[in-house]
Amino acid sequence: ILNVEQSPQSLHVQEGDSTNFTCSFPSSNFYALHWYRWETAKSPEALFVMTLNGDEKKKGRISATLNTKEGYSYLYIKGSQPEDSATYLCAFIDTGFQKLVFGTGTRLLVSP
Amino acid sequence: NAGVTQTPKFRILKIGQSMTLQCTQDMNHNYMYWYRQDPGMGLKLIYYSVGAGITDKGEVPNGYNVSRSTTEDFPLRLELAAPSQTSVYFCASHTSGGVTDTQYFGPGTRLTVL
Repeated sequence: ILNVEQSPQSLHVQEGDSTNFTCSFPSSNFYALHWYRWETAKSPEALFVMTLNGDEKKKGRISATLNTKEGYSYLYIKGSQPEDSATYLCAFIDTGFQKLVFGTGTRLLVSP
Repeated sequence: NAGVTQTPKFRILKIGQSMTLQCTQDMNHNYMYWYRQDPGMGLKLIYYSVGAGITDKGEVPNGYNVSRSTTEDFPLRLELAAPSQTSVYFCASHTSGGVTDTQYFGPGTRLTVL
């Protein structure tokens, strides 16, 4: 059973704060890592797909890094805004199963 | 494009009843998936399909069945509903580019079994 963990479970920050959270996954048989943003009462939307060790991706104020050797990815949000409030999910794919295995998510709340 | 659509949005079932959750995508995606999301848990893969006529089990297939007669449709069938199947169900799809393609999710179906 593949174990994908995200921390923290939840985070409450003030508008303008920068924040980051972690996705940990098995370091062997890595194939790809996805990040999704999931707003309440909506469906998950893709942020990034990362495949190479050392990858860095950026989308506006959100960026992500990947370390496949140690099995973690960081998601950073610079200058958080209330509209960033959502659950951020990572999903790991290994070379064997070849399907997404999701973490439990980090729930971010940004107060004005 | 409507993307991925799911019906119904909400449903309450009695134990032992059956129902079909509908999923349709209009993006000509070959790959389609069914997930369930339980409180405090991540999304768990129930079944998936890599093309019309081809389906396979995911992590939690027990109590469910699927079929894929067309590229567009991927219905999920619950034959004998149990309280453990109370969950939010999401259908997703992506292109044939492989698992590095991002998945497009439907709006979800919230199912309660009493």
